[in-house]
Amino acid sequence: DQQVKQNSPSLSVQEGRISILNCDYTNSMFDYFLWYKKYPAEGPTFLISISSIKDKNEDGRFTVFLNKSAKHLSLHIVPSQPGDSAVYFCAASASLTGTASKLTFGTGTRLQVTL
Amino acid sequence: NAGVTQTPKFQVLKTGQSMTLQCAQDMNHNSMYWYRQDPGMGLRLIYYSASEGTTDKGEVPNGYNVSRLNKREFSLRLESAAPSQTSVYFCASSDWEDQPQHFGDGTRLSIL
Repeated sequence: DQQVKQNSPSLSVQEGRISILNCDYTNSMFDYFLWYKKYPAEGPTFLISISSIKDKNEDGRFTVFLNKSAKHLSLHIVPSQPGDSAVYFCAASASLTGTASKLTFGTGTRLQVTL
Repeated sequence: NAGVTQTPKFQVLKTGQSMTLQCAQDMNHNSMYWYRQDPGMGLRLIYYSASEGTTDKGEVPNGYNVSRLNKREFSLRLESAAPSQTSVYFCASSDWEDQPQHFGDGTRLSIL
């Protein structure tokens, strides 16, 4: 039972254009959502997050949108750069204790930004 | 600027051997986590430690044990390795439940 789904295994975008990565979730108890970027042979690097009480969060070229009614979030990268080529993981957070949370990850989308 | 450090980076074991994966963080975070990543899957939580002195099972704890040695260090032990435990293991830490988790670069473990 996959609670967080990234239905596009890969995406190719031209440099300068917008990249849109999508993620769907099923569990209404998730209260915080994150995007991580991963290069080969490295750990996931935190990119941007959004609380369930918001519908948009922006950080430079990166914007995350949350549609709670559709249980859908997306990551927009504008403009896309070759250095953005990586695997992007969507993750949903549920509280375990006051200090710890469990992240449920999607299977990732490989973004390739071409020249 | 180390963040989360994992050792070793690579390891090959034979079935039945034991192994401890080490993790240390220098960000003074309260919580630490162990995940595994298998091909075509997202990361899955094995064990976590909400604070020094406490540990709890995650989604896939069978075959593993953990120790939160102090606030900085959280180790993962395979007592009798099995081929199904071939995976990439990631350690992470965070300060509070609504803060992002920061990951190490992983340990690539092969069990023959």
